This record gives sequence, structure tokens and C-alpha cells, in this order.
Amino acid sequence: EAGVVQSPRYKIIEKKQPVAFWCNPISGHNTLYWYLQNLGQGPELLIRYENEEAVDDSQLPKDRFSAERLKGVDSTLKIQPAELGDSAVYLCASSLNRGGTYNEQFFGPGTRLTVL
Amino acid sequence: AQSVTQLDSQVPVFEEAPVELRCNYSSSVSVYLFWYVQYPNQGLQLLLKYLSGSTLVKGINGFEAEFNKSQTSFHLRKPSVHISDTAEYFCAVSRNTGGFKTIFGAGTRLFVKA
Repeated sequence: EAGVVQSPRYKIIEKKQPVAFWCNPISGHNTLYWYLQNLGQGPELLIRYENEEAVDDSQLPKDRFSAERLKGVDSTLKIQPAELGDSAVYLCASSLNRGGTYNEQFFGPGTRLTVL
Repeated sequence: AQSVTQLDSQVPVFEEAPVELRCNYSSSVSVYLFWYVQYPNQGLQLLLKYLSGSTLVKGINGFEAEFNKSQTSFHLRKPSVHISDTAEYFCAVSRNTGGFKTIFGAGTRLFVKA
């Protein structure tokens, strides 16, 4: 079974440019997460989807960040315009939420963004 | 709200020695507790979890952790480490209801020396 797929793995852009990250979750997983991991820190949740609905986007900086999961499968996270402080690793994770019980999150390898 | 404190940012240890990575949490409600491992340029992998029941939890790769409610701790242990255990380890906590939002600690870098 394929794991969570993310692309690109690495991205270098200049500040003020737009950038997009793509995530394909494990087949059948209805819950998808985007995390931000700064250097030397643990992941921080940006947004969580249940199917195509964003159920927790309270930590997403909505002035420059946006995300979508149109068909409830793969997802795109976008930054426009990027700032120097956005340099970090962006992790995607997925889980099969059966409702009311804990379900393990499976993480992708991440996209390492460098903003120059 | 929940929070996690990993008490050591780096832990150097010799191969075949025992190791303990310390984690304390804060929460006003019942929680689930986790340890994840992250190898260079990879995503996080679940090592073990405490949901309920026995406070001693065994995970993959010979790791175990003990949930101590009175001390609000969830320390990770391994009796004999290998070079291949060199990685970043993250302790995490989530409420045991309603979405299970996971809060991660800052991580502990375990460096196993030959």
C-alpha cells in the first residue's frame, strides 16, 4: 500500500513569489492534515479536512495561505506571496476517521520550502 | 488547551547503552499520548501510543513508554540503543474527544555514538 505522497520534495523560491504543495493521502483515508514544521520544532497543524470540508483551519494564516481538497482526495496548499519566514517543512498526513475513536495519522515525507 | 514539554533538546548516548527521553504534558482533560520518530528528510512515524489501559506501553523498535498521570509524564525508554536509532523524537498529546487535535513537543535529537 502506497503511503502519503507529497510533491515537490524541495522548493526554492524568491520572496513574494507564489508556491503550491500537493498531497495525495493514503487511499480511502477521509481525513487530511497539513502541518508546518519549523527548523528544530515539532509540527503545528495548519488545517484539517474531513472529506472535502475544512473542519479546523484556525491556525492557517488566511491572508497569504489557502488550501483546497475539492474532491475529498488529494489536496493543495498554496502560499501567495511567500515571505522569508515561510521557509520550513510542510507535512501532509492522513487518517481514516471512523468517528469518536482515535485513528492513527500517517505522515508524508514533507516539502522543504526555502524562501530567498 | 494541551501543551507538551520535551525536557532535553539533545541526548547523546553510546551504542548499546540505555536511554530515556523525557516528556511532560499539561492538560485539563483526559488525553491520548504519543511518541513519533522522524529520520532525516522523512515524515513522522508513530512509535507508540497510550490511549487507555495499561500505563506501560510497548512500541516498535524495542521502545516503551510509561504514562504517569500524577506526574503528567510520558517518558520514552529503550534498554539498548543502536546506531540506527539516531533520529528526532517527538512527544505529542491530543484530547481523547472531538477531533483529536494533536499538539507536538519541540523534539529531542537522539544521537547514538559508536
